[in-house]
Amino acid sequence: AQSVAQPEDQVNVAEGNPLTVKCTYSVSGNPYLFWYVQYPNRGLQFLLKYITGDNLVKGSYGFEAEFNKSQTSFHLKKPSALVSDSALYFCAVRDSNYQLIWGAGTKLIIKP
Amino acid sequence: DTAVSQTPKYLVTQMGNDKSIKCEQNLGHDTMYWYKQDSKKFLKIMFSYNNKELIINETVPNRFSPKSPDKAHLNLHINSLELGDSAVYFCASSQTGEGFQYFGAGTRLSVL
Repeated sequence: AQSVAQPEDQVNVAEGNPLTVKCTYSVSGNPYLFWYVQYPNRGLQFLLKYITGDNLVKGSYGFEAEFNKSQTSFHLKKPSALVSDSALYFCAVRDSNYQLIWGAGTKLIIKP
Repeated sequence: DTAVSQTPKYLVTQMGNDKSIKCEQNLGHDTMYWYKQDSKKFLKIMFSYNNKELIINETVPNRFSPKSPDKAHLNLHINSLELGDSAVYFCASSQTGEGFQYFGAGTRLSVL
């Protein structure tokens, strides 16, 4: 079955420290992977995607994600967290019907 | 111009009422979606629709019905509202083959 897992409900990071939000997936064929961010009382915003090519993908707001085929992971990273990065982050994978399968979301809290 | 717009932003109503939420996209996309986000922030696809096909999540009650007057609009009509329908509803759109979706700001529905 095709699925996306975000194993952490919440991630706490001190401002200025690196952050990682984890995502693993299960999909048939080559994966198309996405990260979205949701700020409070807002809709989801596209951050970045992996389709093919370099395993390290760069996106908006200084975020990047690393695709690891052997571990079926697509973790979101940022070298130095900002308080304004505090939000809900969703990982998604496109299935064979071109629909997105969503993870449950990870709440990222950056403390000053 | 807002790419995907939903109205109303807030909707408070009584159990048993019928209500509609409107969605419009000005991106020229061929596919639109409705999502439900519950109080735990879990994102659930309800419908996806393009001019060829309506895909319904089979877990969605038939009290919910999408209506598309044209390619740029996908409205959500809900009959006989129940307390459990209280949630934030997001409209989204995409172009077939691109994978990623653009989201509206959401409609917060409260059923009393």
